[in-house]
Amino acid sequence: QSALTQPASVSGSPGQSITISCTGTSSDVGGYNFVSWYQQHPGKAPKLMIYEVSKRPSGISNRFSGSKSGNTASLTISGLQAEDEADYYCSSYRNSITLYVFGTGTKVLVL
Amino acid sequence: EVQLVESGGALVQPGGSLRLSCAASGFTFSTYDMHWIRQATGKGLEWVSSIGTSGDTYYPDSVKGRFTMSRENAENSLYLQMNSLRAGDTAVYYCARGRPYYDSSNGWFDPWGQGTLVTVSS
Repeated sequence: QSALTQPASVSGSPGQSITISCTGTSSDVGGYNFVSWYQQHPGKAPKLMIYEVSKRPSGISNRFSGSKSGNTASLTISGLQAEDEADYYCSSYRNSITLYVFGTGTKVLVL
Repeated sequence: EVQLVESGGALVQPGGSLRLSCAASGFTFSTYDMHWIRQATGKGLEWVSSIGTSGDTYYPDSVKGRFTMSRENAENSLYLQMNSLRAGDTAVYYCARGRPYYDSSNGWFDPWGQGTLVTVSS
């Protein structure tokens, strides 16, 4: 069960925008609009930031946005803040047997 | 407030068994899909199992035949029975809520519990 591919790390200065990619296949990311993104601070549980590619749950800042093109989904964080420094994981529905797959994870560093 | 609290994590020898529990509160438990997701120390997230509102269960090949997920709606509780444990099963195990039965969406987990640590070692 191969994971979705994410860059190991992405960095930016406060106020800048960064984008994290999440590359899968036509059997997961490209085949369904069921991509979600999670933020995880050290020692904490993951937190849902984006679901169904681009929808934000209640209470999530509009600085976080999601999109998808073909087999690659993206999470953009605009107006980068120190509190955004964390690990980020994407996830996608895969099929009725495997169900779900996660990305390899990306560490966001705020310089 | 929606809350999920896992318990049951422990140190267990290879080949041993363990049962994890997840107590849910703050929502109508019986109407939601539920999931177990694990994370080895310093590693990424891995989907472990899912259960629908009708009790249908799903597993990846890595745990199929060894793990059994169940739910007890009357007690708002979720369980994961883990048998034939291996060193590779060592991880923090999270339970997470999925979609409600009436929702056509999929592929999201919200919220997550705080996790319970399972260590498989001799």
